[in-house]
Amino acid sequence: AQTVTQSQPEMSVQEAETVTLSCTYDTSENNYYLFWYKQPPSRQMILVIRQEAYKQQNATENRFSVNFQKAAKSFSLKISDSQLGDTAMYFCAFMLTQGGSEKLVFGKGTKLTVNP
Amino acid sequence: NAGVMQNPRHLVRRRGQEARLRCSPMKGHSHVYWYRQLPEEGLKFMVYLQKENIIDESGMPKERFSAEFPKEGPSILRIQQVVRGDSAAYFCASSKPGLRTYEQYFGPGTRLTVT
Repeated sequence: AQTVTQSQPEMSVQEAETVTLSCTYDTSENNYYLFWYKQPPSRQMILVIRQEAYKQQNATENRFSVNFQKAAKSFSLKISDSQLGDTAMYFCAFMLTQGGSEKLVFGKGTKLTVNP
Repeated sequence: NAGVMQNPRHLVRRRGQEARLRCSPMKGHSHVYWYRQLPEEGLKFMVYLQKENIIDESGMPKERFSAEFPKEGPSILRIQQVVRGDSAAYFCASSKPGLRTYEQYFGPGTRLTVT
């Protein structure tokens, strides 16, 4: 079964500093997609970044980047120049595609607090 | 370019009543997914629908829960005879067919409280 593990329930960082959130997953698939979603206090789920497993290059979106280690099944999120608006729950997710279905499998999340 | 719309945003039901949650996908999206988020938990997949078809309902409880996505109108998640354990946030997501990026865009969620 595909599982996603986020080992850091809570983290904090000072404004303007860099923070890395960890995520590991388990799958027997060779081609798959990984995502990070942000859930601020408004509870809206916002897509932050996406990584295709067949791409060796790490995805980057402005201040957000990932460190994708396929052999280790690791997919960490780095947030540079942290801003107060980055305070949120962050969920790592794995796209499971089997038998014509598509569904996201989420980790339990990491609560990130950016301090002024 | 409206995003995924869900209504109501908040719904209070007494035990035994029915809850109906609605989801309108983004324009051009014909795939809809429902997820449930219990307090302090990540989202859990419930059901995946395309227009007039249920593709995967493996995450949906066998009893009391049903979902549809008719040819016209929003997708509906229906919970009959609600119990306190149904209290949760229910999120709908949509995606566009043909794009092999598998990106799902989420609505703001419906928070269901069962009293």
